[in-house]
Amino acid sequence: QQQVKQSPQSLIVQKGGIPIINCAYENTAFDYFPWYQQFPGKGPALLIAIRPDVSEKKEGRFTISFNKSAKQFSLHIMDSQPGDSATYFCAASMNSNYQLIWGAGTKLIIKP
Amino acid sequence: DTGVSQNPRHKITKRGQNVTFRCDPISEHNRLYWYRQTLGQGPEFLTYFQNEAQLEKSRLLSDRFSAERPKGSFSTLEIQRTEQGDSAMYLCASGRLTGMGTDTQYFGPGTRLTVL
Repeated sequence: QQQVKQSPQSLIVQKGGIPIINCAYENTAFDYFPWYQQFPGKGPALLIAIRPDVSEKKEGRFTISFNKSAKQFSLHIMDSQPGDSATYFCAASMNSNYQLIWGAGTKLIIKP
Repeated sequence: DTGVSQNPRHKITKRGQNVTFRCDPISEHNRLYWYRQTLGQGPEFLTYFQNEAQLEKSRLLSDRFSAERPKGSFSTLEIQRTEQGDSAMYLCASGRLTGMGTDTQYFGPGTRLTVL
């Protein structure tokens, strides 16, 4: 019940396309859902996060869509660029302990 | 640079040796987290501190692992009698409560441990 399932494992998209990465969770006590971007040899960097009281959040080219009833959330990257090529992780936590439970990651490649 | 820093960035050791890693969090953050990440996987929670108090430890944190945060500032993670299975990236994050009412965690670059 603590797991966060992420798909796909890898994704190749042409420049300008809109990659979509999906995550699903079971624990309804989760109330914070961040997305992190990680480049090789670096630590994860926070991209955008959402709480379950909203269905969508946009920050720049990144959008999170959240479906509370389905217990799913997804990341969309608009006008994708080769510099967006990285591994993306979804995560979830609850206010009781803030421990992040992570998805397995999606390796995204944006082809020029 | 006022981000989270970790030292060393890389550590190669022989099986059975002890190693210690250091994390310096963002100065105004009172929470500090340790995670472990193996290749191709998401980070796994190890432990977390609020100020100097260690509030939670994962079952992944065997008795060979110990973490401290004296004076609520920097933290150290020590692994005793290292095993090859300890080879991983050890990530530190610091956090603060945000307007979203939860903890936003900012990660350091990690320490990559290789146990031969």
